[in-house]
This record gives sequence, C-alpha cells and structure tokens, in this order.
Amino acid sequence: DVKVTQSSRYLVKRTGEKVFLECVQDMDHENMFWYRQDPGLGLRLIYFSYDVKMKEKGDIPEGYSVSREKKERFSLILESASTNQTSMYLCASSSPGTPNYGYTFGSGTRLTVV
Amino acid sequence: GQQVMQIPQYQHVQEGEDFTTYCNSSTTLSNIQWYKQRPGGHPVFLIQLVKSGEVKKQKRLTFQFGEAKKNSSLHITATQTTDVGTYFCAGPGNSGGSNYKLTFGKGTLLTVNP
Repeated sequence: DVKVTQSSRYLVKRTGEKVFLECVQDMDHENMFWYRQDPGLGLRLIYFSYDVKMKEKGDIPEGYSVSREKKERFSLILESASTNQTSMYLCASSSPGTPNYGYTFGSGTRLTVV
Repeated sequence: GQQVMQIPQYQHVQEGEDFTTYCNSSTTLSNIQWYKQRPGGHPVFLIQLVKSGEVKKQKRLTFQFGEAKKNSSLHITATQTTDVGTYFCAGPGNSGGSNYKLTFGKGTLLTVNP
C-alpha cells in the first residue's frame, strides 16, 4: 500500500524553538507539498517541490523553509516557532506521470506552539 | 491569483436525502479534482475530471465538470452516515512549473443525521 508518512502525529513546541516536520513517501513521486489546515481557512499551500533540491513558495511561506535533499523526503522547517503557527500540517505527494495524479496525503501533524 | 470557491460551507441532511456541493473557479481549469476528508482524518483523492461537460459516477456519487471548465459539482444520492466528512474540490495552477500545484476550495462539511 502506497504511503506518505509524517514523522509525528502530535507535537508540542515552545515559542522560538526551531521545529522540523518530516515527510517521507514511498511512491517515487516527483512532487511534494506542505499544506496547513485551519478551521474556516481550508488547506493553504506553504511550499512545494517538483524535484530534488527544487522548491517553490506557496501562498503562505513566511516563517517557514523547506528542504528536499532526497526524492522521497520533504522537510518543513519552522525557523522560530510562533503561536500563530499552531495548526494541522499536511504533507502530500503526486506524480505527473500517472493518469489521475491526485495527491496522496499523509495523516498530518497537529502542532501546538505554546 | 487563482481562487476556488465552494458552497455551501456546511450541509446537514437526514440519512437518505441527497446532497450537492458546488465549486467555482475564477479561471478556466485544465482539470478538477475532488477529495474527501473524514473527521479526524486526512484528505483522500476521489476523482479527477478533465473534459468539458464530463460526468463521472462512483456508486452514489456523481461528479460533473462544467462546459466552460470553470465549475464543478459533486452530488451524493441517498446519503448514508458513512458519507460524513468534508468534501474539497481543487484545481491546478496554469502556469509553468506550478501546473501541479493545487488550489483547494474551503470545503463543504457534510453531516448526516441517522
């Protein structure tokens, strides 16, 4: 069964901490994405990557950075966590080579910044 | 930028009633995708529509793509409690490398009274 795995389901961090959210996919997908999901705001794209070492800003990149050193792994970094970054973070992957290249999402990481 | 609007935001039905959610894009879409997110879960890809006027069915779910490729709908016939969740539509960006980046509607939360 194909998978997108996020390293933590729940995470509590302190304001100012550097936070790493890890995402690994086993489908050899080229594209990987980080979204955050907040009530009433839906899914908002933070960053995405369409190849190793390539990254593009999404709609809300401020306060975040990403790293993609290997095809299967896409990391989201909160340089200095703030309370307004408390959210559900969803990683997804897709491949343009498949006929119906819908996203496969991970189970999400619920991050609380205190 | 591209906007994808979805209505209604919430819909509560009695089990056995029909349900429809509508999606409208500010730009013409090359395709549209639909996802379902169960409470406490992550979005799961349902289907992709590509052709103008396309209609696809999955059991009790009927998906339509408008003739102008700017709107879409999801209709569920005779809802069941297993249909509970948030239904999202999503459309791709239409320029260069962002073609694989999806913009999601805010979703329609469906609740079903047994």
